[in-house]
Amino acid sequence: AQKVTQAQTEISVVEKEDVTLDCVYETRDTTYYLFWYKQPPSGELVFLIRRNSFDEQNEISGRYSWNFQKSTSSFNFTITASQVVDSAVYFCALSELPQGGSYIPTFGRGTSLIVHP
Amino acid sequence: GAVVSQHPSRVICKSGTSVKIECRSLDFQATTMFWYRQFPKQSLMLMATSNEGSKATYEQGVEKDKFLINHASLTLSTLTVTSAHPEDSSFYICSATGTGWTDTQYFGPGTRLTVL
Repeated sequence: AQKVTQAQTEISVVEKEDVTLDCVYETRDTTYYLFWYKQPPSGELVFLIRRNSFDEQNEISGRYSWNFQKSTSSFNFTITASQVVDSAVYFCALSELPQGGSYIPTFGRGTSLIVHP
Repeated sequence: GAVVSQHPSRVICKSGTSVKIECRSLDFQATTMFWYRQFPKQSLMLMATSNEGSKATYEQGVEKDKFLINHASLTLSTLTVTSAHPEDSSFYICSATGTGWTDTQYFGPGTRLTVL
């Protein structure tokens, strides 16, 4: 069974600080996808990144970066020079290869990031 | 990216009434749509998966007679909460995957249901 753990319930930082959101996952499959979604106060989930299990290359997109390490089953997310607009709940999710039909992600409980001016 | 809309964004209803929530894919054909429920400060809980033209597949513990799902076209799915009660108050979110790509879901903005 798949499981995603986001141990940090809430993180509070001051603007311009760097912050890392942790994500640890469990799966028996060798093929799977990992995701990060952002949920601002408005409620809409915004897709940030998808990574498949065979691609351990770290990714950087502007102030966002992701560190995928299969050895520790982690897929951490770092925001550099945080801004107030980054304040949101961030969800990590895992999808195993479906037996049939679509990938259905299992979501972590989310980490609430509060960036103070 | 793919755009998914939901309507209404907020709804308040009296206990015992039924409420319909629409989920539309605006710029792609959604072969599969998903309905989630999210309680305050909680994660998303998958309620059901629906494929166009087929009956929805409900997750364990979700009452199919209470949460009616229809996926009549490749761009529209509806969730009807029948005989709503205050405990049905929640944030309902739909998502969709498209033809040829099933590995990433794109989410709608959600519908906040309050049952008085």
